[in-house]
Amino acid sequence: SQQGEEDPQALSIQEGENATMNCSYKTSINNLQWYRQNSGRGLVHLILIRSNEREKHSGRLRVTLDTSKKSSSLLITASRAADTASYFCATVSYNTDKLIFGTGTRLQVFP
Amino acid sequence: DAGITQSPRYKITETGRQVTLMCHQTWSHSYMFWYRQDLGHGLRLIYYSAAADITDKGEVPDGYVVSRSKTENFPLTLESATRSQTSVYFCASSESGFQPQHFGDGTRLSIL
Repeated sequence: SQQGEEDPQALSIQEGENATMNCSYKTSINNLQWYRQNSGRGLVHLILIRSNEREKHSGRLRVTLDTSKKSSSLLITASRAADTASYFCATVSYNTDKLIFGTGTRLQVFP
Repeated sequence: DAGITQSPRYKITETGRQVTLMCHQTWSHSYMFWYRQDLGHGLRLIYYSAAADITDKGEVPDGYVVSRSKTENFPLTLESATRSQTSVYFCASSESGFQPQHFGDGTRLSIL
């Protein structure tokens, strides 16, 4: 069963625009991670946010976490065509040692 | 080069045959994982291993067998392949269950 559910399932934007993806989850977590997957490749870790953190930045990426709403968002600012990929959130609970992935958001950035 | 490699990248086989997917990592990570990725299901965990000689079931373990005699290798075997096992299989490794995972580029398996 999926712990994380991403929204929207697909997103199309122009280069230079911002892209926001949301993730909701069901149980208490130790941390939440975001991954990117380019077509035909494996997943690549982007950023990890711990349950006691509310916001984290990495380059053009901004992640927020609201544990009261059990939700997270990933913002990519000034999108580029190279950002075209699928993006997944994944959660780790305190009483387990494995990630549970959502179904992902497909992002298309048009030049 | 350091990293995680999967082989083969593509495999076509027939129902009832045994097939083994290989995974090798050079980081000496304790944890290794096997996932399958299917449209509409995202990534689902098949098996994982916290250390050599320790393996545990994930969400969808039926029909699969794993072993981990060495830290760096984590092969996945389909003992009698079925069409429902047609999928893209990903191997991953991490230092601990809470840490980010590093993924291989996957094996695309088709069972006819």
